[in-house]
Amino acid sequence: GAVVSQHPSWVICKSGTSVKIECRSLDFQATTMFWYRQFPKQSLMLMATSNEGSKATYEQGVEKDKFLINHASLTLSTLTVTSAHPEDSSFYICSARAPTSGGDPYEQYFGPGTRLTVT
Amino acid sequence: GIQVEQSPPDLILQEGANSTLRCNFSDSVNNLQWFHQNPWGQLINLFYIPSGTKQNGRLSATTVATERYSLLYISSSQTTDSGVYFCAVLYNFNKFYFGSGTKLNVKP
Repeated sequence: GAVVSQHPSWVICKSGTSVKIECRSLDFQATTMFWYRQFPKQSLMLMATSNEGSKATYEQGVEKDKFLINHASLTLSTLTVTSAHPEDSSFYICSARAPTSGGDPYEQYFGPGTRLTVT
Repeated sequence: GIQVEQSPPDLILQEGANSTLRCNFSDSVNNLQWFHQNPWGQLINLFYIPSGTKQNGRLSATTVATERYSLLYISSSQTTDSGVYFCAVLYNFNKFYFGSGTKLNVKP
């Protein structure tokens, strides 16, 4: 149980285009999901907290107009990188918290990540 | 915010050796997890351990919440243990922050 998937697993796009990344909780409902980015040989940095039915909360320094987050249902959150540039190339990972899973409500479950390359 | 520091940043071991990885955090936390990131980037959940001690095979972890640190023990290391190990903490019941990671290289 507690599986989180991401799609696509990797994507290459041209500079100036937009890319949408999906994060799904497959066997549980997640009221809260998180988005992270990871540059090569660095740690994961929290970008934003996605709450179902409300606006996302962005970390300081993260452009909310560039990284659009939509948490439209209890099993799906999407991250759209708008007008992507080469510096947006990174590894994007989502996680979900599952208060109704029967486990500890503060345990995090992570997706496999999406590798974005902007040319 | 909270600071999460891991040590050592890099560790090279001979197969069969034991090791201890440390995670220090600067404030009280609600949750602490240890992860192993494989070469494809997937985070493998090793332990959910806000306090106390847990063991899973050759791995064990201890968190002393009152002293704000956690330790991950790897015994009889294998080459497949190589990779990056992260600790991450849940702060203010809201945000999850990662440490800087320990890169482990186990040589045959």
